[in-house]
Amino acid sequence: SAVISQKPSRDICQRGTSLTIQCQVDSQVTMMFWYRQQPGQSLTLIATANQGSEATYESGFVIDKFPISRPNLTFSTLTVSNMSPEDSSIYLCSVWGTGAPNTGELFFGEGSRLTVL
Amino acid sequence: GENVEQHPSTLSVQEGDSAVIKCTYSDSASNYFPWYKQELGKGPQLIIDIRSNVGEKKDQRIAVTLNKTAKHFSLHITETQPEDSAVYFCAASFASKLTFGTGTRLQVTL
Repeated sequence: SAVISQKPSRDICQRGTSLTIQCQVDSQVTMMFWYRQQPGQSLTLIATANQGSEATYESGFVIDKFPISRPNLTFSTLTVSNMSPEDSSIYLCSVWGTGAPNTGELFFGEGSRLTVL
Repeated sequence: GENVEQHPSTLSVQEGDSAVIKCTYSDSASNYFPWYKQELGKGPQLIIDIRSNVGEKKDQRIAVTLNKTAKHFSLHITETQPEDSAVYFCAASFASKLTFGTGTRLQVTL
């Protein structure tokens, strides 16, 4: 299993500002995933954070808007830059549990709910 | 890339009845199909999963079926209870990434 802690759990932000979300895992993992869940919507993968290399971004997401750090095997941050109301979402960190990808379970943090005014 | 469609978007059943949620996927290379339950204010939690070499899997009141030829899979919940009320997401995976369906809001009424 994997226990994931995210900070902040929620925040209200002003348009044009940036916010950094932290994700801490209780075990070492190779890949950490960042998802966005817009209000009432499904989960969309933003990027995969790999330790020691640049994050891999999905189509529609760019590093300038969502810079990611991965300083070690248990921690990652996602920054939402120059926020607009359209960025109001829940941002979720996730990791595969024990076992290689596709042989284990994908665990999620509780999410960080951002509201941009 | 993978595309997952999920139906219905909302489902209301009476306590004790069964609920069925259906998903289709597009990438025949996908080989792992989990179902997640998300309660209000929480992250999604895995409730059951199935791999491409299996056609059906059951865990107490929950079962999942997979038809690889037709590229669709379904979640079956029997004897529904009020605590089953939540949003359910299907997903499909190839390699290490999951693509999620659009979600089904299940409401179990007394």
